Amino acid sequence: AQSVAQPEDQVNVAEGNPLTVKCTYSVSGNPYLFWYVQYPNRGLQFLLKYITGDNLVKGSYGFEAEFNKSQTSFHLKKPSALVSDSALYFCAVRDTGYSTLTFGKGTMLLVSP
Amino acid sequence: DGGITQSPKYLFRKEGQNVTLSCEQNLNHDAMYWYRQDPGQGLRLIYYSQIVNDFQKGDIAEGYSVSREKKESFPLTVTSAQKNPTAFYLCASSINQGSTDSNQPQHFGDGTRLSIL
Repeated sequence: AQSVAQPEDQVNVAEGNPLTVKCTYSVSGNPYLFWYVQYPNRGLQFLLKYITGDNLVKGSYGFEAEFNKSQTSFHLKKPSALVSDSALYFCAVRDTGYSTLTFGKGTMLLVSP
Repeated sequence: DGGITQSPKYLFRKEGQNVTLSCEQNLNHDAMYWYRQDPGQGLRLIYYSQIVNDFQKGDIAEGYSVSREKKESFPLTVTSAQKNPTAFYLCASSINQGSTDSNQPQHFGDGTRLSIL
């Protein structure tokens, strides 16, 4: 079975400070990992993915994520947060041999001016 | 512009009524998905389809039905058997997701919010 956990319901950070949104996963094989962002009353937008290779993945809007196999984590990071980054962030995983994604429950990121 | 269109944006259902949510994509994607989003519960998969005229149940299929008669369209019917239908419904598509080696991201529509009258 595949599963993903986002341990924080909400993350608060001041504008200009670095941000981290945490994600851990559980799979039987090798994971395909994704981060999405959702703004109010909108669909999800793809930010980045890890398939294989370099553990540091760079994505849209200055976001990056670090894959850590030993800790089964895929935390989302950004060096300098913007107020406009405030949104709901979802981590998702797909195990090899599976054809669907499993999403985490989401983490609300609030960036204060 | 290519994308996924969901309609209507807001929908109200009366007791005992079936309602159908529309999802159309012009991305030429093979696979399509329906998710239900409730506050604090993330996205839960209702149904998915990897090819025309074929679809599979997701984690919470009870009280819902779908069809996939055309590649571009994947309508979702919320039946009267679904006792708690109030939620935000999201449709998504992806290319070639039928292969278990596929690593392509899903593209989402902007959702339909269903409420009970």
